[in-house]
Amino acid sequence: GAVVSQHPSRVICKSGTSVKIECRSLDFQATTMFWYRQFPKQSLMLMATSNEGSKATYEQGVEKDKFLINHASLTLSTLTVTSAHPEDSSFYICSARTYNKTQYFGPGTRLLVL
Amino acid sequence: GEDVEQSLFLSVREGDSSVINCTYTDSSSTYLYWYKQEPGAGLQLLTYIFSNMDMKQDQRLTVLLNKKDKHLSLRIADTQTGDSAIYFCAVTSGTYKYIFGTGTRLKVLA
Repeated sequence: GAVVSQHPSRVICKSGTSVKIECRSLDFQATTMFWYRQFPKQSLMLMATSNEGSKATYEQGVEKDKFLINHASLTLSTLTVTSAHPEDSSFYICSARTYNKTQYFGPGTRLLVL
Repeated sequence: GEDVEQSLFLSVREGDSSVINCTYTDSSSTYLYWYKQEPGAGLQLLTYIFSNMDMKQDQRLTVLLNKKDKHLSLRIADTQTGDSAIYFCAVTSGTYKYIFGTGTRLKVLA
């Protein structure tokens, strides 16, 4: 099946610093990737939709200047959490959409901001 | 907007069948998915069904879709301890966005 990777799997950073998370589709090309945030014991919340070669589409309430998304190629999207604060600590999951609209998810990145 | 609901918890004994239920509100939902999430991990696609189907079987997994009642279920036969996880249903319609259910935490007792 389709494989999606994320890097890093876990990151701890100081408040005020920026953190970049990579999402890669390993064996297929994905024109569309998605970024989700998951709080403990809750469902996934869609943050933004990343389209290759164009600007990301953000969901209501998600700060685009805070969460920078770049989709530079058909296999790579990045999420940068800028000036991270403790409330940004969360589990971030990306997914990549195949031609038949099915989304395959990465293993997630756990971010802890101290 | 679309609302997708699941019961929060399910506990079964090893070897029994598990049935996880999901209800949704958007009758135009076309693709319906089941994902499994183990602790600290991403989501693993288990199976999916198109809205023009009533049932789909894949080894130990059986998906039933009742479009009239907007009800989706996932049956796991011969449930094993390794099946303990959170199960999410997700639906999508004309757009590419997934709407996820709240997740059902399945606990399998040995």
